[in-house]
Amino acid sequence: DIQMTQSPSTLSASVGDRVTITCRTSQNIGSWVAWFQQKPAKAPKLLVYRTSSLENGVPSRFSGGGSGTDFTLTITSLQPDDSATYYCQQYDDWTFGQGTKVEV
Amino acid sequence: QVQLVESGGDVVHPGGSLRLSCAASGISFSSHAFHWVRQAPGEGLKWVAAISYDGSNKDYLDSVKGRFSIFRDNPKNTFYLQMNSLRVEDTAIYYCARDKCGGADCHDAFDIWGQGTMVTVSS
Repeated sequence: DIQMTQSPSTLSASVGDRVTITCRTSQNIGSWVAWFQQKPAKAPKLLVYRTSSLENGVPSRFSGGGSGTDFTLTITSLQPDDSATYYCQQYDDWTFGQGTKVEV
Repeated sequence: QVQLVESGGDVVHPGGSLRLSCAASGISFSSHAFHWVRQAPGEGLKWVAAISYDGSNKDYLDSVKGRFSIFRDNPKNTFYLQMNSLRVEDTAIYYCARDKCGGADCHDAFDIWGQGTMVTVSS
């Protein structure tokens, strides 16, 4: 099984800040990584797929990067609406990371 | 309206059975793979099962193999999760989700999600 290690587990930042969340996989998975945003009592929402492709309708302040075993989600100019938990997922065997709670 | 709607969640005793349904509307159904993902109370997301666009390929989380079965009815735009021999640790919100890739032998991120249905296994 492929392990996903996501960090940090929590993150507190201010409006306008730039923040980065990291996921590391236990083996090379190419570019098969997605990022999701989940707000309390809501279903997850796809933000980024194939490492760096932005899903339709997602604000351009969200961006994904990386390759191989190390992947990042960056939010530039953080907004109050970005308060949520963020998950990475590799879709070689569909494992999710542990989640990062972002407080703005 | 583009949506997936789950139903079938309930409270059951350990060892019991449930069948969850996920009905699609306003989206392409028969050319896409679909998944079930669960989230235990206060916990993260965990993938549970997948079914290919034509139902010929299925995959399961190790801890549910032999107990859960995923299947689909393309003319009804609906797929299902049959859950048998339920355990306390199966307690979770169960989400259905569409695989973004349409077609044979491909998979991609989960682009459309249902609102979730709660399964509680308790004595």
